[in-house]
Amino acid sequence: QSVLTQPPSASATPGQRVTISCSGSSSNIESNYVYWYQHVPGTAPKLLIYRNYQRPSGVPDRFSGSKSGTSASLAISGLRSEDEADYYCEAWDDSLSALIFGTGTKVTVL
Amino acid sequence: QVQLQESGPGLVKPSETLSLTCTVSGASTSSSYWNWIRQPPGKGLEWIGYIYYTGVTNYNPSLKSRVSISSDTSKNQFSLRLSSVTAADTAVYYCARDPIRGYYFDYWGPGTLVTVSS
Repeated sequence: QSVLTQPPSASATPGQRVTISCSGSSSNIESNYVYWYQHVPGTAPKLLIYRNYQRPSGVPDRFSGSKSGTSASLAISGLRSEDEADYYCEAWDDSLSALIFGTGTKVTVL
Repeated sequence: QVQLQESGPGLVKPSETLSLTCTVSGASTSSSYWNWIRQPPGKGLEWIGYIYYTGVTNYNPSLKSRVSISSDTSKNQFSLRLSSVTAADTAVYYCARDPIRGYYFDYWGPGTLVTVSS
């Protein structure tokens, strides 16, 4: 059902910056807030970004979110080994009347 | 600290009903919106639906005909029932809190794997 498209993978060396895109449409990203989650398999997903760019308390400012039109992005700067995880974007879709997640991006720290 | 924990059978037979319970600690199920989300093996996340303590529910239209979410505020729990299951319903099932019906989740359980197989 996912209509939010993310690249399957992204990688960088420690200390570098990685950016993950999330492509949607006028019925989801363009008209609603975008959220980002970090998921280490076998554990509970963690909210990283809410309302497009805001960080919950405790989330380092190395993580930043942005949105423009029908796309959104998550950037991780100063990449660390503990950032290895799957990352998902999420938004409400007005046409589907359902909450939808992105296809997911696996981040590898080389 | 808010914590959620899923519980229920790990194996369900095809055509039967999957039943899971989420026990919440550190928060009351008499506020906020309580959700179920699942992730089939090797696939992405899928939102199933939510319940508010008043009994108001909202389900993913793709599952609506088979899903029921209920809550027991006296036990601080909420539950999922998914009927007529098939192998396609095999997944890790998560419960999660949406604090303000903002359609996002600030706390999640660790998830429980449910396999549909005879």
